[in-house]
Amino acid sequence: AQSVTQLDSQVPVFEEAPVELRCNYSSSVSVYLFWYVQYPNQGLQLLLKYLSGSTLVKGINGFEAEFNKSQTSFHLRKPSVHISDTAEYFCAVSRVQGAQKLVFGQGTRLTINP
Amino acid sequence: GAVVSQHPSRVICKSGTSVKIECRSLDFQATTMFWYRQFPKQSLMLMATSNEGSKATYEQGVEKDKFLINHASLTLSTLTVTSAHPEDSSFYICSARDPSIWNEKLFFGSGTQLSVL
Repeated sequence: AQSVTQLDSQVPVFEEAPVELRCNYSSSVSVYLFWYVQYPNQGLQLLLKYLSGSTLVKGINGFEAEFNKSQTSFHLRKPSVHISDTAEYFCAVSRVQGAQKLVFGQGTRLTINP
Repeated sequence: GAVVSQHPSRVICKSGTSVKIECRSLDFQATTMFWYRQFPKQSLMLMATSNEGSKATYEQGVEKDKFLINHASLTLSTLTVTSAHPEDSSFYICSARDPSIWNEKLFFGSGTQLSVL
């Protein structure tokens, strides 16, 4: 089975500051990795995903994440955040082979302060 | 791009009544749809996998008789919460897989906030 741990439940950051949201996963098989963003009372939007190839993945809205297999991590970063980035962020994994259903982390609430 | 429509976005019902939530894939055929449940300040938990033309596969601990799933067509899956109780109050989100996109990209609906009085 797969599991995902997001180490920070809340991250407050000032506008234009950099941010890193941490994600670690556990799996005995190869996985795909995802970051989703959820705005209030909305569904999830895919920010980025790692399937294969380069370990540095760039997504929408200026976000990027780096897959580190040895540390089983997939941390999300943005060099300069905006007020509009305030949202809940979820890290997720799915098996490469098989059902491909997503297993989500607990979420990180990112709050951008002016 | 592909869109998944979920309806209603918000529903309030009395305890003991049933509520149906619809999930539609608007511009692709989804052979597989997923239903998630999210409690306040918690992550999404997969409830069941809905397969067109066959019975849904429920996750451990999810009551199949309480959460009825019907995937009668390639563009529509419904989740019916039967005899709803206040503890069923939650945010329900569906997702659908577009098989025409490499690695079958997953799209999410906007969610349904269910409040049972």
